[in-house]
Amino acid sequence: EDQVTQSPEALRLQEGESSSLNCSYTVSGLRGLFWYRQDPGKGPEFLFTLYSAGEEKEKERLKATLTKKESFLHITAPKPEDSATYLCAVQLRGGSEKLVFGKGTKLTVNP
Amino acid sequence: DAGVIQSPRHEVTEMGQEVTLRCKPISGHDYLFWYRQTMMRGLELLIYFNNNVPIDDSGMPEDRFSAKMPNASFSTLKIQPSEPRDSAVYFCASSYGVTGGYEQFFGPGTRLTVL
Repeated sequence: EDQVTQSPEALRLQEGESSSLNCSYTVSGLRGLFWYRQDPGKGPEFLFTLYSAGEEKEKERLKATLTKKESFLHITAPKPEDSATYLCAVQLRGGSEKLVFGKGTKLTVNP
Repeated sequence: DAGVIQSPRHEVTEMGQEVTLRCKPISGHDYLFWYRQTMMRGLELLIYFNNNVPIDDSGMPEDRFSAKMPNASFSTLKIQPSEPRDSAVYFCASSYGVTGGYEQFFGPGTRLTVL
């Protein structure tokens, strides 16, 4: 069965304290891995798509990386406005547009 | 563009009643998705359409759930009869996936409470 596991479930950081979120996956064939950000009371907002091992993408203080078994979302010098739940999702080979989501990591950045 | 539009934003109903959730995707997008989010199970795909045709409904929990997309700018998700365990946030998303892999844009969700 295709599975996506995110860790930790929750993470508290002080402003400026860099860290990483993990997304590990067990799938039959990966077509793409997606990262989304979700603020309370809102729908997920797209951040990145990664397609192959070794690929990296950056946006402001966020950098996403991908290996054959997992992806990391690195947060450098976070600010309170980075507080949100970060969701990872995989899209499988075979032509389906279906995304399988992990349960997310709730990030809190204290000033 | 206004983004994906969902209505209502909140719905409170009693067990046994029919519930209809509505979604207007982003203009020009050819894929539409319905998701359900709960604390226990996270975000789960219920069904998705391509060019108004249902492609994968394997996530629809049971026959009480049905979804339609009569045209490119409108979709509904209906629950009849509703049960307390259907309480969740329901999201609609759309994407432009000619070659696949394009990001899905989510609406603000409908928070459903079944008493």
